Amino acid sequence: ETGVTQSPTHLIKTRGQQVTLRCSSQSGHNTVSWYQQALGQGPQFIFQYYREEENGRGNFPPRFSGLQFPNYSSELNVNALELDDSALYLCASSLTWLAGFQETQYFGPGTRLLVL
Amino acid sequence: KQEVTQIPAALSVPEGENLVLNCSFTDSAIYNLQWFRQDPGKGLTSLLLIQSSQREQTSGRLNASLDKSSGRSTLYIAASQPGDSATYLCAAGMDSNYQLIWGAGTKLIIKP
Repeated sequence: ETGVTQSPTHLIKTRGQQVTLRCSSQSGHNTVSWYQQALGQGPQFIFQYYREEENGRGNFPPRFSGLQFPNYSSELNVNALELDDSALYLCASSLTWLAGFQETQYFGPGTRLLVL
Repeated sequence: KQEVTQIPAALSVPEGENLVLNCSFTDSAIYNLQWFRQDPGKGLTSLLLIQSSQREQTSGRLNASLDKSSGRSTLYIAASQPGDSATYLCAAGMDSNYQLIWGAGTKLIIKP
């Protein structure tokens, strides 16, 4: 059984640029959630995708957007990068949208983004 | 607004000790409380999930308790081992929007 994978592992961008991060969910999982984790902080929920539709969003501006594909893999896009966007971006997959409530989420290793 | 706090931020103890990690939350209207482990380069691993109607959960050497009325959860690790070294995070599942609110974590180092 393949776990959750994310690419790339590390990324350096400059302020104002755009970035796309990718996540492959665990086999059989139809829900992907994205989190931002700043250094020394806990993760913050960005949004969740369930069967290709956005199914909940945290307190993040519209320049954070996402997609989920028919194979349930997902992308996180961030436009007009700011210095404060530097963080570890985690994705997690689960069997249903009740991720973390009635079932376990499985996390990927994360993508570390540095904005200069 | 829910706030989750973990104290201490870091802890270093000799191998073999029993230890307790603390997690406090301000809003008792939680659906559940979860404990995770984070290892560098390996993401987060779910350790224990306590539903709001439960008082504790156990898995091997780990035991987590929940006291909603006082807004506290503790993670007890028995007979600590160097392999337990990691950052431990707690997260409160909110009843209102099914989102997780996370603490900043406790970085645990077990010395051989």
